[in-house]
Amino acid sequence: DIQMTQSPSSLSASVGDRVTITCRPSQSISSNLNWYQQKPGKAPKLLIYAASSLQSGGPSRFSGSGSGTDFTLTISSLQPEDFATYYCQQSYSTPLTFGGGTKVEIK
Amino acid sequence: EVQLVESGGVVVQPGGSLRLSCAASGFTFDDYTMHWVRQAPGKGLEWVSLISWDGGTTYYADSVKGRFTISRDNSKNSLYLQMNSLRTEDTALYYCAKAGYSSSWLFDYWGQGTLVTVSS
Repeated sequence: DIQMTQSPSSLSASVGDRVTITCRPSQSISSNLNWYQQKPGKAPKLLIYAASSLQSGGPSRFSGSGSGTDFTLTISSLQPEDFATYYCQQSYSTPLTFGGGTKVEIK
Repeated sequence: EVQLVESGGVVVQPGGSLRLSCAASGFTFDDYTMHWVRQAPGKGLEWVSLISWDGGTTYYADSVKGRFTISRDNSKNSLYLQMNSLRTEDTALYYCAKAGYSSSWLFDYWGQGTLVTVSS
């Protein structure tokens, strides 16, 4: 199974800050990496697919990059509605696996 | 508008059985692979199972293999998860999720989930 390691597990940031979250799979997954946002009490929402493609309707302040074993989700200017937990997920092989999540909190 | 509505979650004793359902609308159901993903209280996301558009291919997480069975009825736009030999560690919110257009192994729409509690 491919293990997905996300870091940090949590962070505190202010509105307007640039935020970076990292995801490292235990083996190369090419560009088969997706990012989800989950707000408390809500279902996850797809943000980025195929490492760098913004899901339709997603804000342009979100971007993804990377390939192989090193991926990054960047929020260019954090907005109040971005405080949530973010998960990476590999779509390279089954079993499909998620990272442990990164909780973005208000500083 | 894509809608996924799960049902069937209840409190069940260890060793018991349960069948979850997911009613889909707003898209051509039989064009897409479908998934179940779960989330234990206060924990992260865990993929459970997938079924191809025609039901011909299924995959399971090791944690549920041999106990859970995924199925679909394309005539009813419905997805199911039969859960047998339930364990306390199966307690979770179970989400039905639609596969993406670009990849069958990502989730572009999710339901709101149905809560399964396994407890004596």
